[in-house]
Amino acid sequence: GAGVSQSPRYKVAKRGQDVALRCDPISGHVSLFWYQQALGQGPEFLTYFQNEAQLDKSGLPSDRFFAERPEGSVSTLKIQRTQQEDSAVYLCASSLGLAGAYNEQFFGPGTRLTVL
Amino acid sequence: GIQVEQSPPDLILQEGANSTLRCNFSDSVNNLQWFHQNPWGQLINLFYIPSGTKQNGRLSATTVATERYSLLYISSSQTTDSGVYFCAVGSYNTDKLIFGTGTRLQVFP
Repeated sequence: GAGVSQSPRYKVAKRGQDVALRCDPISGHVSLFWYQQALGQGPEFLTYFQNEAQLDKSGLPSDRFFAERPEGSVSTLKIQRTQQEDSAVYLCASSLGLAGAYNEQFFGPGTRLTVL
Repeated sequence: GIQVEQSPPDLILQEGANSTLRCNFSDSVNNLQWFHQNPWGQLINLFYIPSGTKQNGRLSATTVATERYSLLYISSSQTTDSGVYFCAVGSYNTDKLIFGTGTRLQVFP
């Protein structure tokens, strides 16, 4: 079956521009996560949805970052007024969202954002 | 929050060699996953292993939850095994994964 997909795969933005990154989770997965991976580092948590509800946004670095999942499926991560420090790979993951082995997370290929 | 440490940070092997990667974590977990990040950046699921032992081909993993560590074994390494290996854990009061800093593996022919 299809895995997690993300688009665009690459995005170049001028400083100050707004960007929108899309994530299509695995069909039927209740939980959706966004992570940010800086060069040479491990991924770091940004935010988490269970269906359409955003249950944890403690990792969003500033109020310029906003995520939504209005129908409990596709999610969009929006970054307003991009800064150079926002340059990173943005990873989306999904899981069935149930207890035990069903909370295994599966990752998409990521969107590499470069802010000039 | 939970701290995750991986060792060694870098590993260089010749094809055919075996290796052991270690992940230490600082608190009880209800999720532990091992990933391989290939040179194109894709995180590939290797094991979901909050406890016990699993094997998949040349790879195997063991998690001793009571002692808060996990080991990933790679046998008969191949050049395609090159990349970064991440351990990530989740705790009982949060669903997010906390990643270690990774082990960068290079396998030469």
